[in-house]
Amino acid sequence: DAGVIQSPRHEVTEMGQEVTLRCKPISGHNSLFWYRQTMMRGLELLIYFNNNVPIDDSGMPEDRFSAKMPNASFSTLKIQPSEPRDSAVYFCANKQGARTEAFFGQGTRLTVV
Amino acid sequence: QQQVKQSPQSLIVQKGGISIINCAYENTAFDYFPWYQQFPGKGPALLIAIRPDVSEKKEGRFTISFNKSAKQFSLHIMDSQPGDSATYFCAASIRGGDYKLSFGAGTTVTVRA
Repeated sequence: DAGVIQSPRHEVTEMGQEVTLRCKPISGHNSLFWYRQTMMRGLELLIYFNNNVPIDDSGMPEDRFSAKMPNASFSTLKIQPSEPRDSAVYFCANKQGARTEAFFGQGTRLTVV
Repeated sequence: QQQVKQSPQSLIVQKGGISIINCAYENTAFDYFPWYQQFPGKGPALLIAIRPDVSEKKEGRFTISFNKSAKQFSLHIMDSQPGDSATYFCAASIRGGDYKLSFGAGTTVTVRA
C-alpha cells in the first residue's frame, strides 16, 4: 500500500478562489481525519469521518470550509472562497481503530495570496 | 482549548545528550498516548505509544514515562543524534470508540553534532 496520498502537494491561489484538496486513504482504514497545521495553532483537527460518515466537524473554522467522503477511497476538503488566513499545511490522516496508529499523508501546502 | 499541554516549545541538545519533552492532560477518559515525529516537509509519523496500564515503555533510544496520578507523560530521547532533529508531538485519545487524537503544540528538537 502506498499509504495516504494527498494532492496537490502545493497549491497557490488567489484570495476568493475555490480550492479543493484531495485525499486517497489507505484501503481498509475506516477513520479519516483532516488536520490543518500552522506555526501559530499547531495541528488542528478540522473534521473526521468514520466509515465515510462525518462524525465531528466542530473544528471546521467557517462555512467556507466543507469536506466530503463519497466513498471509502476518496475524500475532499474544499475552501470557497479562500482567504489569506487559510494559508497552512493541510493533512489527511487515517486510522483503523481507537488505539491504533494514525497514518498521515505528506500534506498539501496551501498559500492564498 | 488544547486538551494536551506540551513543553518545552523547543530545545537544543548536544549529540549524545538526553532530550526530554513533557505533556500533561486533564481528561481522565484519555486511554491512549502516542508520540509522533515530524520532519520538515513530511507528515507526522508514529514514534511510540503507551497505554495507562503501564508506567514506562521503551523502544530503542526512545522511552515514554507515564504518571497516571499526575496526568503527565514524557518522552525521553537517549543518546540524541542529529537525525533525531524533528518536531515531536504528544497526543491522546479517549476510550469508547472515539478515534480522534488531541495533539499537543509540538516541540522542535535540534541535536547539535
